[in-house]
Amino acid sequence: DVKVTQSSRYLVKRTGEKVFLECVQDMDHENMFWYRQDPGLGLRLIYFSYDVKMKEKGDIPEGYSVSREKKERFSLILESASTNQTSMYLCASSLAGIMNTEAFFGQGTRLTVV
Amino acid sequence: GESVGLHLPTLSVQEGDNSIINCAYSNSASDYFIWYKQESGKGPQFIIDIRSNMDKRQGQRVTVLLNKTVKHLSLQIAATQPGDSAVYFCAESFFSNDYKLSFGAGTTVTVRA
Repeated sequence: DVKVTQSSRYLVKRTGEKVFLECVQDMDHENMFWYRQDPGLGLRLIYFSYDVKMKEKGDIPEGYSVSREKKERFSLILESASTNQTSMYLCASSLAGIMNTEAFFGQGTRLTVV
Repeated sequence: GESVGLHLPTLSVQEGDNSIINCAYSNSASDYFIWYKQESGKGPQFIIDIRSNMDKRQGQRVTVLLNKTVKHLSLQIAATQPGDSAVYFCAESFFSNDYKLSFGAGTTVTVRA
C-alpha cells in the first residue's frame, strides 16, 4: 500500500520560531509537493520538487523554504513562523512522466502559531 | 491566474439518493482532472480521474463527467452512504505546468440518515 507520512499530526509553535515539517514517501516518486489548506480556499501549492535537490516555487512560497536531499524526503521550513501561517499542511507525491498522474497525500500536519 | 472552482460549498443528501457535485474550471489547456475525497482528520484520497480525451469515466459507485465545451466537471455518487460524508475537491493540471495540481475550494457533503 502506498504511503506518504508526515512526521507530526499537530504542532504548536511560537511566533518567530523556525519550524520544520517533514514528509517521507515510500513509493519512489520523483515529484513531491507541499500544500496548505485553509477553509474556503482549498489547497494552495507552496513548493514542489521534481527531483532530488530540485525545487520550484508554487503559488504561495513567501515565508517558506524547502529541502530535498533524498528522493523519499521533502521538508518544509518556516524560517520565522507567524500567526498567519497557522494552517493545515499537506504533503503529496506523484510519479513523473509524460502523462500527469494522481498525487498521493499524507494525513496532514495542523500547525498552530501562537 | 486561472483557477478551479466548485459551484456549491455544501451539499446535503439523503442516504440512498444519488449525489452530484459540480466543478467549473477556467483553463482551457487543462487536460487532466481528478476528484479527491477528504474525510475529517485525514489527507485527501484519490477517487477517480479523467483525461481530456474522454467525457465520461466510471468507477465503483462513482462517475465523472467532463464537458470541455463549458469547462465543467462533475462527480456523481450513486446510492450515497453515510461513509460518503466528506469534503470533495476537484483538481486540474495540464501538460506544460510541471504536473502541478490546482484545487478548487471543496464541497462538503453531508449524508442524512
